[in-house]
Amino acid sequence: GNSVTQMEGPVTLSEEAFLTINCTYTATGYPSLFWYVQYPGEGLQLLLKATKADDKGSNKGFEATYRKETTSFHLEKGSVQVSDSAVYFCALAKTSYDKVIFGPGTSLSVIP
Amino acid sequence: GAVVSQHPSRVICKSGTSVKIECRSLDFQATTMFWYRQFPKQSLMLMATSNEGSKATYEQGVEKDKFLINHASLTLSTLTVTSAHPEDSSFYICSARDQDEVWGAGTIYFGEGSWLTVV
Repeated sequence: GNSVTQMEGPVTLSEEAFLTINCTYTATGYPSLFWYVQYPGEGLQLLLKATKADDKGSNKGFEATYRKETTSFHLEKGSVQVSDSAVYFCALAKTSYDKVIFGPGTSLSVIP
Repeated sequence: GAVVSQHPSRVICKSGTSVKIECRSLDFQATTMFWYRQFPKQSLMLMATSNEGSKATYEQGVEKDKFLINHASLTLSTLTVTSAHPEDSSFYICSARDQDEVWGAGTIYFGEGSWLTVV
């Protein structure tokens, strides 16, 4: 079945460090891929998405590129801030009316 | 932008009672909504797909008689946790898809979530 795997956390970085959170997926066909962020005590927010191979999603300095050859959608940010501390979920949806399948989440803590 | 609202955001109930959580799409119509459950420090697990005007589709292992879902209109789905027990304490979050959005540009909108504590 469809699934999403993320790197284990928690991840702790100093402010202005480079961030990479690895995400790989298993799915048939061409799913759409997402990164969601959950700040402490809050619900989910869509961070970025990509709907086809080689698409790059970007938002708030975060980027992720849909790599079909490696079935990956790694999240990157060049310079993290304390306010980026949150849990990040990689996710996929197979079809336009399908459910979203989430990875286990990666907790990020950014220290001053 | 599109907004999905959940109510209540936090609820405490006694063991054995039932509690209802509402999920509303505020400015769009949603024939399909999804209910997820999140245990502390874990990922979100899909519980069921709520279909307007028909029965919900439950994921394997989810008790349909315990988690009653009703999707009576294009803007409202409700999740009722019946005979709640402490192990039902969790974060419940819904999502909805704008039925008029073209896929690709469309987005799945999530509610703010509801914290349920059963004492």
